[in-house]
Amino acid sequence: EAGVAQSPRYKIIEKRQSVAFWCNPISGHATLYWYQQILGQGPKLLIQFQNNGVVDDSQLPKDRFSAERLKGVDSTLKIQPAKLEDSAVYLCASSSPASADYEQYFGPGTRLTVT
Amino acid sequence: QKEVEQNSGPLSVPEGAIASLNCTYSDRGSQSFFWYRQYSGKSPELIMSIYSNGDKEDGRFTAQLNKASQYVSLLIRDSQPSDSATYLCAVNNYGQNFVFGPGTRLSVLP
Repeated sequence: EAGVAQSPRYKIIEKRQSVAFWCNPISGHATLYWYQQILGQGPKLLIQFQNNGVVDDSQLPKDRFSAERLKGVDSTLKIQPAKLEDSAVYLCASSSPASADYEQYFGPGTRLTVT
Repeated sequence: QKEVEQNSGPLSVPEGAIASLNCTYSDRGSQSFFWYRQYSGKSPELIMSIYSNGDKEDGRFTAQLNKASQYVSLLIRDSQPSDSATYLCAVNNYGQNFVFGPGTRLSVLP
C-alpha cells in the first residue's frame, strides 16, 4: 500500500512570495490533515478535511493560508504572502474512517524556508 | 486552549533499560490517545494508539492510560540505540480536535 505523498520536499522562498504544497493521501482514506511543525515543537493542526468538506480549520491563519481538497482526494495548501515565521515543515496526514482509533499516517513533509 | 504536555528531555537511558515517557492533557473530553516516534528530519511514525483505561502492549512497547488523572504514558522495554528519537503524544476527541505535545527526546546510550 502506497503511503501519503507530498511535494515538493523542500522549498525556499522570499518573504511576501507565494507557495503551494500538494498532498495525495493513502488510497481510500477519507480524512486528510495538514499540520505545521516548527523546529523543536510538536505538529500543529492547520486544517482537517473529511472527503472534500472542512471539519476543523480553527488554527488556520486564514488571512494568508488557504487549503482545498477538490474531489475528496488530493489537497493543496497555499501560503500567500509568506512571512519569516512560516518557516517550518508542513506535514500531510490521512486516516481511514474505518479506523475507529483515528490513526493518522504522515507523509514525508515539505520543508519550507522563508528568507 | 486544549493542551498536551510532555517533558522535553532529553531522557537518557542505557541500552537494555526501560524508558518511561509521560504525557498529560487538559481536555477531559479526549477519547483517543496516540504515541508517535519521530527521527530527526523525518515525519512522525505511529507507534501505538489507546482508547481505554489500563495498559496496551505491542512488542516492546506498552501504553498506559488513566483518564481520571488525564495521563498517558509509554514504556519501552529493552531499549535499543535505534529507539533514540523524539516521542510525540497526541490526543483527540472522536476524530476531531487533534492536539500534539511538544515531544520528549529519548537518547539510548550503548
